[in-house]
Amino acid sequence: ETGVTQTPRHLVMGMTNKKSLKCEQHLGHNAMYWYKQSAKKPLELMFVYNFKEQTENNSVPSRFSPECPNSSHLFLHLHTLQPEDSALYLCASSQDRVEQYFGPGTRLTVT
Amino acid sequence: EDKVVQSPLSLVVHEGDTVTLNCSYEVTNFRSLLWYKQEKKAPTFLFMLTSSGIEKKSGRLSSILDKKELFSILNITATQTGDSAVYLCAVSSDAGNMLTFGGGTRLMVKP
Repeated sequence: ETGVTQTPRHLVMGMTNKKSLKCEQHLGHNAMYWYKQSAKKPLELMFVYNFKEQTENNSVPSRFSPECPNSSHLFLHLHTLQPEDSALYLCASSQDRVEQYFGPGTRLTVT
Repeated sequence: EDKVVQSPLSLVVHEGDTVTLNCSYEVTNFRSLLWYKQEKKAPTFLFMLTSSGIEKKSGRLSSILDKKELFSILNITATQTGDSAVYLCAVSSDAGNMLTFGGGTRLMVKP
């Protein structure tokens, strides 16, 4: 397994469901990120973790809850989402402050 | 607030054409500018630019940064259908690990 992996690749959930997105990086990086990509909008940074510590939270609603148990794994816990949360959720990792490497993303649809 | 603007929004060319994609930015304490290519999945890293006037080249792709005028261009020569993608520009600052992305340029190369 190489690079950055994300599961599931596709997820359909109702507004009352609870689900989690998983990201794993095999690059030995020390920083991990969650981004949201909606149609016709730039990539939006949601959360940044450095050495398992959250360093950025870009005013993300509390229905999104990140978890970083170690430097290789990152989760995004979802609950009571809204239809406008439907988007592609991308995970990325980097070593210090160099370029970020992205996972394939989870395509989320909230019904 | 950091800002990245890409132009054009979309572009249609024929194989063999040369294209130039533009990225202008406003960022406090600029550190680097990055170009990514995004097809149907994760953005893949192309270039990172930190110094003005030094061209980075990879095959038919090249990029250059102008820190005085606050912009970068990405050139693709002898385009091929496989170059069809969204090209993303992002900037980072000394403030942290965050990348601010532009809205992307959607390039379509027709046979």
